[in-house]
Amino acid sequence: GAVVSQHPSRVICKSGTSVKIECRSLDFQATTMFWYRQFPKKSLMLMATSNEGSKATYEQGVEKDKFLINHASLTLSTLTVTSAHPEDSSFYICSAPFGGTEAFFGQGTRLTVV
Amino acid sequence: QKEVEQDPGPLSVPEGAIVSLNCTYSNSAFQYFMWYRQYSRKGPELLMYTYSSGNKEDGRFTAQVDKSSKYISLFIRDSQPSDSATYLCAMSAPGRGSYIPTFGRGTSLIVHP
Repeated sequence: GAVVSQHPSRVICKSGTSVKIECRSLDFQATTMFWYRQFPKKSLMLMATSNEGSKATYEQGVEKDKFLINHASLTLSTLTVTSAHPEDSSFYICSAPFGGTEAFFGQGTRLTVV
Repeated sequence: QKEVEQDPGPLSVPEGAIVSLNCTYSNSAFQYFMWYRQYSRKGPELLMYTYSSGNKEDGRFTAQVDKSSKYISLFIRDSQPSDSATYLCAMSAPGRGSYIPTFGRGTSLIVHP
């Protein structure tokens, strides 16, 4: 299947700093990518839709100024967690649609804010 | 009521057992049904995908959809310790929303030797 690569897999940062997470579609182009957040033993929660060449669409309750999304090319979307706080610690996962109805996921990024 | 209900488990079975994982849903618009496997601290991996009622088989995995009952299942035959993971059901509606599945919370499966 299609490959979506996410980097880094784990990151620890201090409160108040910003962290950038990259999501790449390796063998296909993705005009749209999706960013999810997953809490322990919980389902994936869609945070935002990243659109190549235009602004991201955020789900209700997600702070767009805290979670900056940039989709600069057809193969790369980035999520920047700005001024991170411990409550932002979570597992962040990106996905990209492929073939019309399927979505492939990145490996996920474990963010720990200390 | 959540759109997708899935028992979180954990479900513990001996190696070689047949595993049955299930989800129910309430949204009649869902037409695409998926099962993902997620290992600890990894992203979900698509296992099975179907869009019609009935059974779909792939190796040791069989996905079953009953739209009339709004019930889907994943069966794993001859389960192996390497099958130990969290299994997420997901479903989506036609159109743009087909790329954005609604997930169940996942069932944790433990296959012990």
